Order: sequence, then C-alpha cells, then structure tokens
Amino acid sequence: GAVVSQHPSWVICKSGTSVKIECRSLDFQATTMFWYRQFPKQSLMLMATSNEGSKATYEQGVEKDKFLINHASLTLSTLTVTSAHPEDSSFYICSARADYNEQFFGPGTRLTVL
Amino acid sequence: AQTVTQSQPEMSVQEAETVTLSCTYDTSESDYYLFWYKQPPSRQMILVIRQEAYKQQNATENRFSVNFQKAAKSFSLKISDSQLGDAAMYFCVLRTSGNTPLVFGKGTRLSVIA
Repeated sequence: GAVVSQHPSWVICKSGTSVKIECRSLDFQATTMFWYRQFPKQSLMLMATSNEGSKATYEQGVEKDKFLINHASLTLSTLTVTSAHPEDSSFYICSARADYNEQFFGPGTRLTVL
Repeated sequence: AQTVTQSQPEMSVQEAETVTLSCTYDTSESDYYLFWYKQPPSRQMILVIRQEAYKQQNATENRFSVNFQKAAKSFSLKISDSQLGDAAMYFCVLRTSGNTPLVFGKGTRLSVIA
C-alpha cells in the first residue's frame, strides 16, 4: 500500500513552547488529510479534517488556535501544537486519503510536554 | 449519526486457535465500507480487511475473514490459526459515502497465548 510518513516520531518539549508535526504522503497525492489523537489504550479521536488549500475543519471541542493545521500541498500537512502544556502530551496520528478513496495512516508521533 | 460498537474490550486466544471479534454499527446510509484495522505495539495502523456494503460475499484475507450481516448491522472478524504476531488492538471502522471521516469503534485488545 501507499506510504504516509510522520516527523518527528517522538518529541519532548518544555511547557509553553510550540511543536510542529509533519505528515507526508510519499507516493500519492492526498486530497484530504486527517489528524487524530490517541490516549493510551483508547481509540483514535478525530481532531480535524483538512483539504489541500483550504482551512481545516475541526471537531467539536478541539481548539483551532491551539492545534494549527496547514495543508499547503497535496503531499504535506502539518499540525502545530502551540503553547504546549502537559495535558497536550499524547500520541498524534495523521492519515491521508487518496483520490481513489483509500486511506493510509502515518506511524504516529509521541509528544511529551514537560 | 454513524456509530460503531465493539463490546469486547479484551479477548485472548491460544496460539493456533480461532477467535472472533464482534462489531456492530449503525448508519442510515446505504453505501458504506467497513474495515478492520490492527494496531500492534508499534502503534502503526494496519488494514486487515475491508468489506463493501453492496457485496453480499464475506471478505477473506488469508487467515482473516468477516461475517457481514447487513440487516443486523453486524461485522465480526474471525482470525484462524492465531499467531503470536496477531496480538494487537483491533478496531472496527465504518466509512460512509463522500469525503467523510472514518468512524472508529473503541477497539478490542487481543492477546495470543503461546
């Protein structure tokens, strides 16, 4: 299947700093990208949906000013956690959907905020 | 609204035996897809099997098969000849038509006993 990469795979930051996570579709163009958050032993929780060139659609309860999503090209989406706090520590997963409607998942990014 | 219910938080199976994971869903759409995804300890989401709602025949992928009961809105996963590498969290996932997000169940954690 197609490959979706995420970078970094693991990041530790100090409280109050911002962290950017990149999601790339390596061998296909992603018309839509999704960002999920996953707490230990829980399911994936959708944070937002982004289409290339347009603003992201955030799920209810997700702060758009805190979790900035940019989908600047058909192969790249970024999630920036602004002014991170310990409660933002989590596992973040991106997923990219191709024109032919298959959806592929990145390997995830573990964020730890001290 | 679409929902997916996995009523078994945890399951265990002896190596080489067969296990069935349950899933029920609800949607008013007539056109949809159902998936089982596996998330091993690496946390990479892996597609196990997919089923198109318009197909009556149950999908099969090697040792993995589904029992799709459309009228009952049931979509169970059977794993035959279980292997140690099958140990993971399994998510039942629904996707309706259009560019809509996936709907995840809460997951079933499968342990395989040697």
